[in-house]
Amino acid sequence: AAGVIQSPRHLIKEKRETATLKCYPIPRHDTVYWYQQGPGQDPQFLISFYEKMQSDKGSIPDRFSAQQFSDYHSELNMSSLELGDSALYFCASSIRTSGSSYEQYFGPGTRLTVT
Amino acid sequence: GDSVTQMEGPVTLSEEACLTINCTYTATGYPSLFWYVQYPGEGLQLLLKATKADDKGSNKGFEATYRKETTSFHLEKGSVQVSDSAVYFCALRASGAGSYQLTFGKGTKLSVIP
Repeated sequence: AAGVIQSPRHLIKEKRETATLKCYPIPRHDTVYWYQQGPGQDPQFLISFYEKMQSDKGSIPDRFSAQQFSDYHSELNMSSLELGDSALYFCASSIRTSGSSYEQYFGPGTRLTVT
Repeated sequence: GDSVTQMEGPVTLSEEACLTINCTYTATGYPSLFWYVQYPGEGLQLLLKATKADDKGSNKGFEATYRKETTSFHLEKGSVQVSDSAVYFCALRASGAGSYQLTFGKGTKLSVIP
């Protein structure tokens, strides 16, 4: 079965640089979520999109922005990177149907290292 | 706000031992509850879920029962294997329209030794 695809898998950037992370949801899934997992931490919700519109916002810094495109893939743009942005960034997708538990399927993550 | 509390790890068990990882939650209404597993260097995989009180989720020998009266969703397995070594996250999705994000516990690292 197709899974959530994230690219790149690993990314190394310097402070104050920008980074773009990409997420390709499972086919026919209409909702994408972004989470940030710091070292030894639990995943923290950043932002989500449903049918290409932002649907929910969590602890996403103002330096970050995201969007969902017409083909449902999503990109997380991160500017003015800081050392504290080093983390594993997960994308998850789900489908909103009546009676569903809206369970989320996670991608393998992008490991961002800021030096 | 919503929150999930898991027992602190790490937990080290011998192969074939019984496992219980406690999870309690704070949320209004009737959230959906999940257990995710994260193997070293990998993403999160849904292990099991329960969407209403008294539901029992089960998968790969793991079980968890949604207990509304104690706001708990403890993960259990009767006989662990070395391959079960991973970090386990309890999570909830709040009830109500517009609430789809997951709130995770801090995770419990399980190590199973031969």
